[in-house]
Amino acid sequence: QTVVTQEPSFSVSPGGTVTLTCGLTSGSVSTSFYPSWYQQTPGQAPHTLIYNTNIRSSGVPDRFSGSILGNKAALTITGAQADDESDYYCVLYMGGGISVFGGGTKLTVL
Amino acid sequence: EVQLVESGGGLVQPGGSLRLSCAASGFTFSSDAMSWVRQAPGEGLEWVSVISGSGADTYYADSVRGRFAVSRDNSKNTLYLQINGLRADDTAVYFCARVRYSSGYSGDYFDYWGQGTLVTVSS
Repeated sequence: QTVVTQEPSFSVSPGGTVTLTCGLTSGSVSTSFYPSWYQQTPGQAPHTLIYNTNIRSSGVPDRFSGSILGNKAALTITGAQADDESDYYCVLYMGGGISVFGGGTKLTVL
Repeated sequence: EVQLVESGGGLVQPGGSLRLSCAASGFTFSSDAMSWVRQAPGEGLEWVSVISGSGADTYYADSVRGRFAVSRDNSKNTLYLQINGLRADDTAVYFCARVRYSSGYSGDYFDYWGQGTLVTVSS
């Protein structure tokens, strides 16, 4: 069974740039998986950041960007701010109506 | 304004059943597919199921197929999740989310989320 992988944790300095990735235990991620990205703070519902690889959801600042880097989907945060400290999840569409979440990355801004 | 409000969670004994509801407003409910996503305490998000706008098509994660049933009543703008044979590892907050498509009827992503309802399975 293919698993969607993310870094368990990452840290970034305020004002810095960080790239979180989303891969597969078997195979490469491409735009055909329509990767999307979600931000979640503890106790809250997820918030949609990026869909279809690199399209920002309404109201999402342009310091959040999505791409394919090598064989993974990537979420880059440029100019990190304190309130970016959250959990970040990617989702890959596997076809046949099936979506799979990655395990999530806990981002610390310090 | 799009609003999704889940209800129906609670404490249930192992082997029991529960029906979750998600009341939708602020959009044409029958036009949009809807999904359920769950999150166990301290764990990540897990996609559970999706249902098409008409209700004709449903899909499930392997972990719940055969025990969970998603349905909708478009006349009531309400999404449901029937959960049977509850197990301890079904303990989670269950979110409903509106589904959008990245391309045609493919590439599902979730643009609006409810606040979730907690299901606790324990004796």
